[in-house]
Amino acid sequence: DAKTTQPTSMDCAEGRAANLPCNHSTISGNEYVYWYRQIHSQGPQYIIHGLKNNETNEMASLIITEDRKSSTLILPHATLRDTAVYYCIVRALIQGAQKLVFGQGTRLTINP
Amino acid sequence: NAGVTQTPKFQVLKTGQSMTLQCAQDMNHEYMSWYRQDPGMGLRLIHYSVGAGITDQGEVPNGYNVSRSTTEDFPLRLLSAAPSQTSVYFCASSYSGLGNTIYFGEGSWLTVV
Repeated sequence: DAKTTQPTSMDCAEGRAANLPCNHSTISGNEYVYWYRQIHSQGPQYIIHGLKNNETNEMASLIITEDRKSSTLILPHATLRDTAVYYCIVRALIQGAQKLVFGQGTRLTINP
Repeated sequence: NAGVTQTPKFQVLKTGQSMTLQCAQDMNHEYMSWYRQDPGMGLRLIHYSVGAGITDQGEVPNGYNVSRSTTEDFPLRLLSAAPSQTSVYFCASSYSGLGNTIYFGEGSWLTVV
């Protein structure tokens, strides 16, 4: 199964860019990388996803390495409201059915 | 989390009782799934469905049943609740295909005493 590895926790100063790394060295060619975040115990909130190319939307940017074994989520100007647990997820085809494979996530704390 | 509705939001059960967590989506998504999240942990897949009439087991299916009689609904049944099933449960849905956005519900907090 494709798995993800993330640092347990990170800190970032308010207003600075937050860069969250993720390793997914066993990812297959047609499997996407998704990022979600969870604030307190709310439902996971979609941030961004990608396959090969770098992606950007109004929330964040996703940088995927050329070999696709790792990626970085970038929050360009972090605010206190970005404090959350961030999950890097591989959407994989396992035994013919698609599954989301969650890691433990990174607890990101934005400091004033 | 627009479009995925879970009920109830909070529930307390006694050991041995049964109950059903409801999940409904109005986006005509083929793919639906249930996860549980224990304190300080990531989400673990319980059951999933790729369409009406088709369900399969995830990582932690024991003690839970599901059915998918319609595209919109994917209820999760606890057959005989145990304290180990105390958790937060999340339902998710998406169109089939690995590149489609996955939407989560707001969660159902279940306590088994």
